[in-house]
Amino acid sequence: QAQLVESGGGVVQRGGSLRLSCAASGFTFSSYVMHWVRQAPGKGLEWAALISNDESKRYYADSVKGRFTISRDNSKNTLYLQMNSLRTEDTAVYYCWTTVTGSAFDYWGQGTLVTVSS
Amino acid sequence: QSVLTQPPSASGTPGQRVTISCSGTSSNIGSNNVKWYQQLPGTAPKLLIYYNNQRPSGVPDRFSASKSGTSASLAISGLQSEDEADYYCAAWDDSLNGRVFGGGTKLTVL
Repeated sequence: QAQLVESGGGVVQRGGSLRLSCAASGFTFSSYVMHWVRQAPGKGLEWAALISNDESKRYYADSVKGRFTISRDNSKNTLYLQMNSLRTEDTAVYYCWTTVTGSAFDYWGQGTLVTVSS
Repeated sequence: QSVLTQPPSASGTPGQRVTISCSGTSSNIGSNNVKWYQQLPGTAPKLLIYYNNQRPSGVPDRFSASKSGTSASLAISGLQSEDEADYYCAAWDDSLNGRVFGGGTKLTVL
């Protein structure tokens, strides 16, 4: 069974940096596109970034473009999100997610909370 | 402001049928398939529907969905108290080169 486990969340001051990790198991990590999705407290889901299986493509939501960098290490089955210049509005639970279009292959991590204090 | 538009709330009594709409554009729902998710408080989203109207194994057939043009809808029949949750639609957006979600619909079972 596929499993995704995030780590690295915590409290950081506005303007600071944080790196999230997502450890994958139970599936061939190197074959799948991976995403980061976030959810601010009491709000809906917001897609943040994706990376192709071979790292050749990376796309970002406008709200994080230029500040966040998604990366992966297929040898370690791990996805990363480097978050710089953090703003209070970046406070959210961050989920790693993999999904295949037209398929029931769809897995989420349990989420990791990032709190940006002013 | 979410790219896909859902009503913020919906409600029904046990046994009733409720529907939740999801409106998009030609660059997302109009040209890509839709997924629906159920999110219980404090948990990660769970896939309910994929490829517009297909249920993963384990999802009760009380849940159904459809898509027409740039809109989609989720129907829940025989409403049960455990269906009380937030529901989200999602699709790929060709213009944004990313996944987009609806703002979510909070379903209350009265």
